[in-house]
Amino acid sequence: DAKTTQPTSMDCAEGRAANLPCNHSTISGNEYVYWYRQIHSQGPQYIIHGLKNNETNEMASLIITEDRKSSTLILPHATLRDTAVYYCTGYGGFKTIFGAGTRLFVKA
Amino acid sequence: GAVVSQHPSRVICKSGTSVKIECRSLDFQATTMFWYRQFPKQSLMLMATSNEGSKATYEQGVEKDKFLINHASLTLSTLTVTSAHPEDSSFYICSGTSANYGYTFGSGTRLTVV
Repeated sequence: DAKTTQPTSMDCAEGRAANLPCNHSTISGNEYVYWYRQIHSQGPQYIIHGLKNNETNEMASLIITEDRKSSTLILPHATLRDTAVYYCTGYGGFKTIFGAGTRLFVKA
Repeated sequence: GAVVSQHPSRVICKSGTSVKIECRSLDFQATTMFWYRQFPKQSLMLMATSNEGSKATYEQGVEKDKFLINHASLTLSTLTVTSAHPEDSSFYICSGTSANYGYTFGSGTRLTVV
């Protein structure tokens, strides 16, 4: 199971891009990088995942370094509703351990 | 996308009673489901892994006789908190795995033991 390290908290201005980093230097070759977010008192919500290549969907973009030891989640135009705790995890088909995550505050 | 339905969303029970939480995968078959608990301002802590038709695997420090997990079908897993005490008050979350979305989480159950 990959151990992940993320900043405890980050601020972002509404309308600007939010770039959330994650270090996962212990990730194994067959583990995907997954990102989830959790809004207060709700279950985590899937955002995006990737293995080696950068990925983009309607919610976000995921940039994975070539050595796969870190990644960055990009919310291109953050809104107030993006205020949440963001978790990156490694997933290889077995159990997933969650780190502390990053608390993102989007401010008007 | 994959959906996991979790009920109840909130429950208040008296100390010493048992509470059952249900988790259903609505549009996929979850061979494996996971149960987490979360205390305020903390991350999710994995409690146990349940596989359909077999006994659950509990993480270190989690009492299997207190947190009974049943995964009788590919779409239903239940967590029963037996003889609940105030320290069991927490946010309990289930999840199932699917090919395209990794973990799909339920909406969580806020348990308050009074």
